[in-house]
Amino acid sequence: EVQLLESGGGLGQPGGSLRLSCTASGFTFSTYVMTWIRQAPGKGLEWVSSILGSGGTTYYADSVKGRFTISRDNSKNTLFLQMNSLRVDDTATYYCAKYQIGSPAESWGQGTLVTVSS
Amino acid sequence: DIVMTQSPDSLAVSLGERATINCRSSQSILYRSNSKNYLAWYQQKPGQPPKLLIDWASGREFGVSDRFSASGSGTDFTLTISSLQAEDVAVYHCLQYYNTPWTFGQGTKVEIK
Repeated sequence: EVQLLESGGGLGQPGGSLRLSCTASGFTFSTYVMTWIRQAPGKGLEWVSSILGSGGTTYYADSVKGRFTISRDNSKNTLFLQMNSLRVDDTATYYCAKYQIGSPAESWGQGTLVTVSS
Repeated sequence: DIVMTQSPDSLAVSLGERATINCRSSQSILYRSNSKNYLAWYQQKPGQPPKLLIDWASGREFGVSDRFSASGSGTDFTLTISSLQAEDVAVYHCLQYYNTPWTFGQGTKVEIK
């Protein structure tokens, strides 16, 4: 059974940093593209970032480019999102998800809530 | 970026009746070389992550009820729930995965009338 478990959410200060993790099991982690998608409270879904299986290629939404860094450790089946220079509008539930190239996100974690507030 | 627009924002349907949700993309998401529309539909129940229902505009995922069907091509797409059940109350999202950045519609909330 595919499982994706996010962690690392919580309260962050504007201008501060948080690091999210997503631990995967039940599939061959290194063969899937991994992505972070967020959802502000009561709002729609926003794609944030994706990373190919090898980890060598990454993609970012303009809203987080230069502030967030996606990475993965295939030896530990773990995906990361380093979030720097946090802004109030980064407040959201952050989901990790997996997909094959050219296909939509097929499995999602339960999400971790990030709240940015002073 | 491709803008995805869903309509309506919400709808209330009686149990057993049909619910129809529309999704329009600002440009075609039909990839001509393989004749596939890069459009997915997700169902999100309160407090849960989205669940993939439909991919390639009309392909129902394994285990998804056949009450759910979808159609469309190019820029206009539709998700239909043929006979609404209580467990179908949720927010439904369309997604284009034709190119990066992926973009979602704003969501349609389906409730029981």
